[in-house]
Amino acid sequence: GNSVTQMEGPVTLSEEAFLTINCTYTATGYPSLFWYVQYPGEGLQLLLKATKADDKGSNKGFEATYRKETTSFHLEKGSVQVSDSAVYFCAPRYSGGGADGLTFGKGTHLIIQP
Amino acid sequence: DSGVTQTPKHLITATGQRVTLRCSPRSGDLSVYWYQQSLDQGLQFLIQYYNGEERAKGNILERFSAQQFPDLHSELNLSSLELGDSALYFCASSLWTAPQETQYFGPGTRLLVL
Repeated sequence: GNSVTQMEGPVTLSEEAFLTINCTYTATGYPSLFWYVQYPGEGLQLLLKATKADDKGSNKGFEATYRKETTSFHLEKGSVQVSDSAVYFCAPRYSGGGADGLTFGKGTHLIIQP
Repeated sequence: DSGVTQTPKHLITATGQRVTLRCSPRSGDLSVYWYQQSLDQGLQFLIQYYNGEERAKGNILERFSAQQFPDLHSELNLSSLELGDSALYFCASSLWTAPQETQYFGPGTRLLVL
C-alpha cells in the first residue's frame, strides 16, 4: 500500500540552527503533499503543501519542494526558534482506490534548545 | 482555532462498552474525515464522509462505524471497546474531496479504555 517514511527523532537542535526533516513517499499515482505540525496538547495544523511536481510550499520560514523524481518532500528552515518545538508530520494524500485520507508518517519530534 | 469542534475532549470508559464521538466541521465544509492517533499505530485514516454519504474507508475496524447527518456534523461510534482502542481521535474537514484541498483538524477526543 501507500506509505511515507520520515525520520522519527527526537531531533534536537540549538536555536538559529538549520533544519532539515527528510520525507519520502511511495510513488503510487500523483499525490498532493502536506506537512502538518502538532504542538504539545493540540491538534494538527497545516504547515505547508504542494500539489504538483516542482511546487514549493512555504510558511513561517519553512519550505518544502515536491520532488517527483526522488519522491521526496523534505522540510527545511534556515533558522529555527524555540517556538518551533513540536512534532512534524509528512502526509501525502493519494486519491482513488477507496482510500482518500491523508497517509501520515510516524512524525518527527523536534526539540529546539535556547 | 481551525473551526472544527469535537466533543467530548476526554472520555474514560471500560472494555466492552460503546461510545460516540461527535464532530462539527468548519462552516461550509462538506467533507468530514476521522483519524486515530495511537502510540502503536501512529496517525491512521479511518473513514471519510462527503455530504452525508460514505466516500472512502481506511483502516477502520468493523466494531467502528460513522455517519454524517443532514446538518453535516458527524459521529464516530466505537463499540465492544478494547484496551487497544485507547487513542486520540481526530476529526478533520474540507470543502470538497479534491486531493489538493487542505484538511482542517479539530482538537481531538482522547479516549481511555480501562
